[in-house]
Amino acid sequence: AQSVAQPEDQVNVAEGNPLTVKCTYSVSGNPYLFWYVQYPNRGLQFLLKYITGDNLVKGSYGFEAEFNKSQTSFHLKKPSALVSDSALYFCWVTGGGNKLTFGTGTQLKVEL
Amino acid sequence: GAGVSQSPSNKVTEKGKDVELRCDPISGHTALYWYRQSLGQGLEFLIYFQGNSAPDKSGLPSDRFSAERTGGSVSTLTIQRTQQEDSAVYLCASSETSGRTDTQYFGPGTRLTVL
Repeated sequence: AQSVAQPEDQVNVAEGNPLTVKCTYSVSGNPYLFWYVQYPNRGLQFLLKYITGDNLVKGSYGFEAEFNKSQTSFHLKKPSALVSDSALYFCWVTGGGNKLTFGTGTQLKVEL
Repeated sequence: GAGVSQSPSNKVTEKGKDVELRCDPISGHTALYWYRQSLGQGLEFLIYFQGNSAPDKSGLPSDRFSAERTGGSVSTLTIQRTQQEDSAVYLCASSETSGRTDTQYFGPGTRLTVL
């Protein structure tokens, strides 16, 4: 069965430090992977996606993610966190049959 | 240009009443999606409209839920005989084409509270 795991409900990072939000997946066929962010009391916004090509994907607000096929991972990263990055982050995957599966979300808290 | 809009932004209703939630997608977007986000929980797919094809209703939780999309644009999600467990934020999204590799653009959501 297709699945997405975001193993951390919450990630705490000091401002200026690098951040990583983890995502692993299980799909049949080629995966299409997405990261979306939800700021407090707002809808979801697209950050980045991997469809094919370069494994390192760069997105909005300085975020990037690396597609690792052998580890079936698509971790979200940013070299230097900002307090304004504090939000809820969702990893999505579309696999064989175009089924869309979401992770449960990771709350990122960036503190001064 | 204008993004996805949803109305109302908040809806409080009594158990057993019917509610209608509206979504205006980005003009020209072929695909339209409805999701539900319950407090403290993640996203739940409800229904997907893809151009002129039959909608994918596989995520609708019960027959009390229905949705339509008129003229390939505006969509209405209807919940009949609302229950307290229907309380959630209902999110609508649209994408330019029908492919699920496409970026989805979300509206701000409708917060439904069933008393």
